[in-house]
Amino acid sequence: DTGVSQDPRHKITKRGQNVTFRCDPISEHNRLYWYRQTLGQGPEFLTYFQNEAQLEKSRLLSDRFSAERPKGSFSTLEIQRTEQGDSAMYLCASSLGGAVYEQYFGPGTRLTVT
Amino acid sequence: QKEVEQDPGPLSVPEGAIVSLNCTYSNSAFQYFMWYRQYSRKGPELLMYTYSSGNKEDGRFTAQVDKSSKYISLFIRDSQPSDSATYLCASLNRDDKIIFGKGTRLHILP
Repeated sequence: DTGVSQDPRHKITKRGQNVTFRCDPISEHNRLYWYRQTLGQGPEFLTYFQNEAQLEKSRLLSDRFSAERPKGSFSTLEIQRTEQGDSAMYLCASSLGGAVYEQYFGPGTRLTVT
Repeated sequence: QKEVEQDPGPLSVPEGAIVSLNCTYSNSAFQYFMWYRQYSRKGPELLMYTYSSGNKEDGRFTAQVDKSSKYISLFIRDSQPSDSATYLCASLNRDDKIIFGKGTRLHILP
């Protein structure tokens, strides 16, 4: 499978714990995006990378959230001190160059904070 | 006013019917428009994108953009039960961010 992959697919954690998610984009894609989607809503942009550089972060991304893409390949999204409001589907997408309108999504990581 | 608005449905149609899904957007500067299909508990799948006004066809799917009325449509011909999913319309804003609608849940009845 040469699409975008995410791991884990599901994560249940207790409030206050830290969690980390991984995304592997399509191999030749240099842009990588993170989104959050809650029930009944469309995905909302969180942050994106061009190669290893994080170019923009949404104001939705509080200080408890951090993302990295150390070698311009896979990316990780970490949430520290999780809160119940962090429960959502976290989606990763990738695109090639300037074709921002042509983003391909992974299956998502569903986070439940109890 | 949200930048991209979409009726959440659900929309139920019999198998074989033509489905019409619609969105409106608020910013006349938007130029790229996308349709994604999302099955339950899966990530969105890009169906097609269009640039500016006009139609684009791909198999049973036709996307239509009317910039004069800020209206986006997706038509599905010969609908199948496997088309049952949530359909998300989206547009690219001036900051190169994809703005999604809330999605319309579609049920194709066998």
